Amino acid sequence: GQQVMQIPQYQHVQEGEDFTTYCNSSTTLSNIQWYKQRPGGHPVFLIQLVKSGEVKKQKRLTFQFGEAKKNSSLHITATQTTDVGTYFCAGRIGSARQLTFGSGTQLTVLP
Amino acid sequence: GAGVSQSPSNKVTEKGKDVELRCDPISGHTALYWYRQSLGQGLEFLIYFQGNSAPDKSGLPSDRFSAERTGGSVSTLTIQRTQQEDSAVYLCASSSGLAGGAGELFFGEGSRLTVL
Repeated sequence: GQQVMQIPQYQHVQEGEDFTTYCNSSTTLSNIQWYKQRPGGHPVFLIQLVKSGEVKKQKRLTFQFGEAKKNSSLHITATQTTDVGTYFCAGRIGSARQLTFGSGTQLTVLP
Repeated sequence: GAGVSQSPSNKVTEKGKDVELRCDPISGHTALYWYRQSLGQGLEFLIYFQGNSAPDKSGLPSDRFSAERTGGSVSTLTIQRTQQEDSAVYLCASSSGLAGGAGELFFGEGSRLTVL
């Protein structure tokens, strides 16, 4: 069953507002990746976090990996209409070789 | 091409028929994954190939599903006796397989399967 949970499932924001999606695992993740899927498209890699407590930034996007390596977040500052899409976290649980994806957060940005 | 290629892009079939979906990964990528995505849902892991190792088949939902990877490159996902609940987009992804498989996944455009 699903071992990587993601909230919220949907988020509607006005352009310019901030947005955050949260990813939680019941077990320790060896690493976590974030992907963005535009409507009608396929998932595209954004970033990978490996270290406990790691924080990485990409322009308006800030990614965090929790100290216990069981949770992660993606924060977008001042959203733009180009940020529309579904954001997925994906983690390797323990020594597993395959990636388990979260259920995704679908972001809608209203102009 | 430079990316992951999947075919067919769309497949409509009748319940009970067999279907084959093909994935051509990025050249040199040793890791290959199949995921399934139902409408508006997340990605469900199906199977993972890494080099010459035995594949991880833990995500295959039933024995109607099988996959092979010939010569460490092209992969085929076969669904026998299709059911309506098999309708979904089947996504293939590859990665370099380096660093213990911790690299990013490159996804294909997917094969949309509709079972009538």
